[in-house]
Amino acid sequence: DPKIIQKPKYLVAVTGSEKILICEQYLGHNAMYWYRQSAKKPLEFMFSYSYQKLMDNQTASSRFQPQSSKKNHLDLQITALKPDDSATYFCASSPRDWGVEQYFGPGTRLTVL
Amino acid sequence: GEKVEQHESTLSVREGDSAVINCTYTDTASSYFPWYKQEAGKSLHFVIDIRSNVDRKQSQRLIVLLDKKAKRFSLHITATQPEDSAIYFCAASRGSNNRIFFGDGTQLVVKP
Repeated sequence: DPKIIQKPKYLVAVTGSEKILICEQYLGHNAMYWYRQSAKKPLEFMFSYSYQKLMDNQTASSRFQPQSSKKNHLDLQITALKPDDSATYFCASSPRDWGVEQYFGPGTRLTVL
Repeated sequence: GEKVEQHESTLSVREGDSAVINCTYTDTASSYFPWYKQEAGKSLHFVIDIRSNVDRKQSQRLIVLLDKKAKRFSLHITATQPEDSAIYFCAASRGSNNRIFFGDGTQLVVKP
């Protein structure tokens, strides 16, 4: 059974629209993260949360807003979508409030037309 | 910021041989050097890391070496098996509450 669920797997959106990417982890971990992987670029850190509190934000744009309704949920809301936002977005979690021992979800591939 | 470079984009070895994946980093303040594995059709997951207070760490068939002077670290997989076939990502971080910077990944193919 998958321990980190990301929904949807694929997402197509039009420029200017808003989408929410869902992430749920069932590993009992305390920290959750969002990463982005654009074409031909390495995995890039976006946010980290610990016990539902924002720990680090490396995303310059306020169009990206993480939302944590429960300890094991960390959704990502993206507003005013642009074609440059097209990427695969990965959610991850780690047992402690921060750690390199991270486990990743399968990703949501977002295409903005 | 930190830049992590992974030297081999693909690596092919015969089953039973050793595989070595090399990475370099730029930030002298980096102190955590994790490795992640992504098997075909599966998600990325942590496999091993080394911290800057040691220069060698082994976990079963995985050996990680760190050369702080050269800002280089490597993953050695001994006695490779078909299930070792995957994409391996090296990464670096300054540690507690600091972001992790990833390399581009190395596709390892273990041929029978």
